[in-house]
Amino acid sequence: AQSVTQLDSHVSVSEGTPVLLRCNYSSSYSPSLFWYVQHPNKGLQLLLKYTSAATLVKGINGFEAEFKKSETSFHLTKPSAHMSDAAEYFCVVSEIGGSYIPTFGRGTSLIVHP
Amino acid sequence: NAGVTQTPKFQVLKTGQSMTLQCAQDMNHEYMSWYRQDPGMGLRLIHYSVGAGITDQGEVPNGYNVSRSTTEDFPLRLLSAAPSQTSVYFCASSYSDLTGGTGELFFGEGSRLTVL
Repeated sequence: AQSVTQLDSHVSVSEGTPVLLRCNYSSSYSPSLFWYVQHPNKGLQLLLKYTSAATLVKGINGFEAEFKKSETSFHLTKPSAHMSDAAEYFCVVSEIGGSYIPTFGRGTSLIVHP
Repeated sequence: NAGVTQTPKFQVLKTGQSMTLQCAQDMNHEYMSWYRQDPGMGLRLIHYSVGAGITDQGEVPNGYNVSRSTTEDFPLRLLSAAPSQTSVYFCASSYSDLTGGTGELFFGEGSRLTVL
C-alpha cells in the first residue's frame, strides 16, 4: 500500500526567500515520486519526478527535490521565491511493481508576499 | 500537439439530470483516469483504466460510470446528478515507464461542474 502526506496545507514566504514544501511517503515497493503544480483555474503540470535514478532531482522553474529513503521524504525546495510561484503544489507517489495507481497528497498552497 | 482534451469546460446541471464529460488523448497512453478536486481534499480518483476494455473503480466511484472502448477516449458519465457532485473534474493519462511503474500524469484543463 502507498500513501503520501504533505505536512503543511499552507506555506507563506516573502519574495526572494527560500521555499520548502514538505512531503512524506509510505510505499511497500520502490516508489516513483512526483511534484505537480497547479496555478489558479488551471490543470496540473509536472514540476519534477524521481524514478530511482539520482536522489537529487531538478525540475522546472528552479525547483528541486531530494529523495531520502531513510526519512521517507521527498521535500520540494527553491532557493528564491518568485511571485509567479504562488500556486497549489501536490506530492504524488506511485509504486514500481505495485498498484500502478498514483496517490496524491492533499496539496500545499504556496503564498508569496511582495 | 493536443495532449489531453476535456469537454465541456463548464456545465450547470439540475439535480437528477445526466451528462457525460468527454476526455480524449492523442499520446497513445494506456492509462487514463478521472479525478475530482474539492477544496481541502486534493485530487480524489473516481475511475481509471489501464487499457481499452478495462476499467476499475477508484476512491470515490459512486454516481459515476466509465467505459473505454478505444485507447484515445475515456468518457465519464454522471447517471443522476446530485449537488454533492459539484466539483472540478480532471482527466489524466499516463504510460508505463521503463521501470514498470507509472510515468508522469498528463492532465486536461479541467471541467467545472455545478449541480443545482
